[in-house]
Amino acid sequence: ETGVTQSPTHLIKTRGQQVTLRCSSQSGHNTVSWYQQALGQGPQFIFQYYREEENGRGNFPPRFSGLQFPNYSSELNVNALELDDSALYLCASSARVRTDTQYFGPGTRLTVL
Amino acid sequence: GIQVEQSPPDLILQEGANSTLRCNFSDSVNNLQWFHQNPWGQLINLFYIPSGTKQNGRLSATTVATERYSLLYISSSQTTDSGVYFCAGNSGGYQKVTFGTGTKLQVIP
Repeated sequence: ETGVTQSPTHLIKTRGQQVTLRCSSQSGHNTVSWYQQALGQGPQFIFQYYREEENGRGNFPPRFSGLQFPNYSSELNVNALELDDSALYLCASSARVRTDTQYFGPGTRLTVL
Repeated sequence: GIQVEQSPPDLILQEGANSTLRCNFSDSVNNLQWFHQNPWGQLINLFYIPSGTKQNGRLSATTVATERYSLLYISSSQTTDSGVYFCAGNSGGYQKVTFGTGTKLQVIP
């Protein structure tokens, strides 16, 4: 059974650029959630995707957007990067949309200069 | 949304000691989980425990849903237990999962 994978591991961008982060869910999982974790803080929920549709969103602006594909993998897109977007971005998958354990990937560390 | 407070925020233990970490929720919570985040940032599932008590080796957890708190017990701590421990959950039918403030644990030899 393959766990949750994310790519890339690290990324450096400049302010105003756009970035795409990728996540492959654990085998058999149809729900993917994305989180942002700033240094020294707990993860903050960005949004969740279930069956290729957004299924809940946290307090993040529209420049944070996502996709889920038929194989349940997912992308997180961030436009017009700001310095405060520098963080660890975590993806989690679960087998059921509401009541199940979430399994996290290793994360993508984004630095915005 | 719900508020999640964890205590203590920081904890230093001698190897072999026991500890109890606490998680308080402002409202009833579903899908309560405990995680350990290692120094490289990987979040590891410890327990999925919306209610009751579970044990896994040296770790155990208890959630009292009616009183809106959960406890994580670490016995005979080891240096590999170092890291940050988070609890997390969501409320009602809302998909947003809220993480606690975390407890940073350092186990020294």
